[in-house]
Amino acid sequence: QVQLQESGPGLVKPSQTLSLTCTVSGGSISSGDYYWSWIRQPPGKGLEWIGYIYYSGSTYYNPSLKSRVTISVDTSKNQFSLKLSSVTAADTAVYYCARSIGGMDVWGQGTTVTVSS
Amino acid sequence: DIQMTQSPSSLSASVGDRVTITCRASQGISNYLAWYQQKPGKVPKLLIYAASTLQSGVPSRFSGSGSGTDFTLTISSLQPEDVATYYCQKYNSAPFTFGPGTKVDIK
Repeated sequence: QVQLQESGPGLVKPSQTLSLTCTVSGGSISSGDYYWSWIRQPPGKGLEWIGYIYYSGSTYYNPSLKSRVTISVDTSKNQFSLKLSSVTAADTAVYYCARSIGGMDVWGQGTTVTVSS
Repeated sequence: DIQMTQSPSSLSASVGDRVTITCRASQGISNYLAWYQQKPGKVPKLLIYAASTLQSGVPSRFSGSGSGTDFTLTISSLQPEDVATYYCQKYNSAPFTFGPGTKVDIK
């Protein structure tokens, strides 16, 4: 069965770029049936959808983050990645990757990213 | 962009009670709506997609209904393990916005 695992630094300095990778196992990211999304959840708050990428490379970003977000895919490694630039304390959150075909049926365990100097 | 709202923001009910959560979209989204359950400290779990289709393995006490702009999630008989925050999400088109969540606990 498909599993997702986020990886990346847990601490990022203000104004720097947050970089995370989601590794997909048990299935191919190139299957063409799914969108691959990033979602985040600030401490004590709700879920915020960041954006998605299709295996072909097409993307869509949340308009509220669009100017700072880049999502990319590496089909050879079965991974997709998130970059969020110019981070501030407001970007401190648990970041999840997820597979979606309509609803998001498979999620990673989440990784906590703290923005602090 | 389409906004998603949920009501109530929190509720407290007794074991065995019927619980209903409402989700409203600011524009019609047909039946492109999902519901998630997130227990404290855990990863969100897909409960329902296409407004009313139960995800595999989800207990039958959960059900969803609605189309267009108004949707409901119903727990027919609340169980202690249902203590969680419940989120709706639209996916008719991006952005795939989540509702603000409804926190459910036991009275």
